[in-house]
Amino acid sequence: DAGVTQSPTHLIKTRGQHVTLRCSPISGHKSVSWYQQVLGQGPQFIFQYYEKEERGRGNFPDRFSARQFPNYSSELNVNALLLGDSALYLCASSPGSGEGYGYTFGSGTRLTVV
Amino acid sequence: QKEVEQDPGPLSVPEGAIVSLNCTYSNSAFQYFMWYRQYSRKGPELLMYTYSSGNKEDGRFTAQVDKSSKYISLFIRDSQPSDSATYLCAMTLSYGKLTFGQGTILTVHP
Repeated sequence: DAGVTQSPTHLIKTRGQHVTLRCSPISGHKSVSWYQQVLGQGPQFIFQYYEKEERGRGNFPDRFSARQFPNYSSELNVNALLLGDSALYLCASSPGSGEGYGYTFGSGTRLTVV
Repeated sequence: QKEVEQDPGPLSVPEGAIVSLNCTYSNSAFQYFMWYRQYSRKGPELLMYTYSSGNKEDGRFTAQVDKSSKYISLFIRDSQPSDSATYLCAMTLSYGKLTFGQGTILTVHP
């Protein structure tokens, strides 16, 4: 079975640009969450979506937005990129919205802002 | 103060050693406790999860949760070089947001 798929794997952007990251969850999983992992730190929660509705939002500015599509795939959008947005962006999927222990992570998208 | 504190290490042990990894937390409402392993340039991989206080064993891995002390541990027996990775503790309330520790870098040398 395919795991959580994220694209692209690597990305280099310039300050002020916009970026879209994509995630395909495990088949049958209806919940997708996004995390930001800065080098040397643990992942930080950005968003959770379940059945195409936002179920949780972390402490990130409004430049970060996301959505979930009818096929349960998801996009994370970041506007007006800053150097500090450079990080590994992780997507995790789960069958439902409440079982925190059931999250499977993708390999992430490594974003570098120059 | 961070909600979850984890010693970043690095921790270096010889092959075959018993490894102890620990986290403390401040939010007594956390109910689910997890340990993830993350290899370089990869996403976190779930190793163990426990609900509330108690112990759970899976092969060479044992997870312990002490909610009264707000303290969780992961023990690795007979450590192998392939166990070399970053180990992340994580915890959650009843809904899906995971709160992670900083991660501990472990190296097991032959």
